[in-house]
Amino acid sequence: KAGVTQTPRYLIKTRGQQVTLSCSPISGHRSVSWYQQTPGQGLQFLFEYFSETQRNKGNFPGRFSGRQFSNSRSEMNVSTLELGDSALYLCASSPNSGFLYEQYFGPGTRLTVT
Amino acid sequence: KNEVEQSPQNLTAQEGEFITINCSYSVGISALHWLQQHPGGGIVSLFMLSSGKKKHGRLIATINIQEKHSSLHITASHPRDSAVYICAVTGNQFYFGTGTSLTVIP
Repeated sequence: KAGVTQTPRYLIKTRGQQVTLSCSPISGHRSVSWYQQTPGQGLQFLFEYFSETQRNKGNFPGRFSGRQFSNSRSEMNVSTLELGDSALYLCASSPNSGFLYEQYFGPGTRLTVT
Repeated sequence: KNEVEQSPQNLTAQEGEFITINCSYSVGISALHWLQQHPGGGIVSLFMLSSGKKKHGRLIATINIQEKHSSLHITASHPRDSAVYICAVTGNQFYFGTGTSLTVIP
């Protein structure tokens, strides 16, 4: 089975712009979660989508949003980018919702905001 | 306030040594995960456990729910074990520790 894929792998944006990141889960996996990793804050949970519905949410402002499509692919959007949004954004997929299943992580998208 | 605390933050070991990484948490959980992250960013899930003990090859993970504590052990460590090991707990979201950076010297 192909692993979790994320596109693009690298991205440079300017403060104030918006960005959309994409995540394709492992075939058959219906849950997709998103995470932000920075040197200062480490790994932080953004949100989880299952069956096109947001099931769980971390403590991020409303500028961070996501959606999931019927084929389980997910996108994450960040509006009005700030310098502090520079990070590695990781997604992970699992067969079901609720984090009681092993998480399979993608390679990440490294976002730089200038 | 950190929901998950890991120790040590950094660890250097000689090849062949027995290694222990500790994780303590302060929230109610449904499961605890141990993750491995190599340079370059890729994260691999090593264990998910909610009670007792699990073993995969040279890796052993234990959890004590009453004490809110988990340990990851690596027996007969090898340079390829060099990575950052991250403890995470899950309830209705994920809470992550800050990671333990392990370097195994040949």
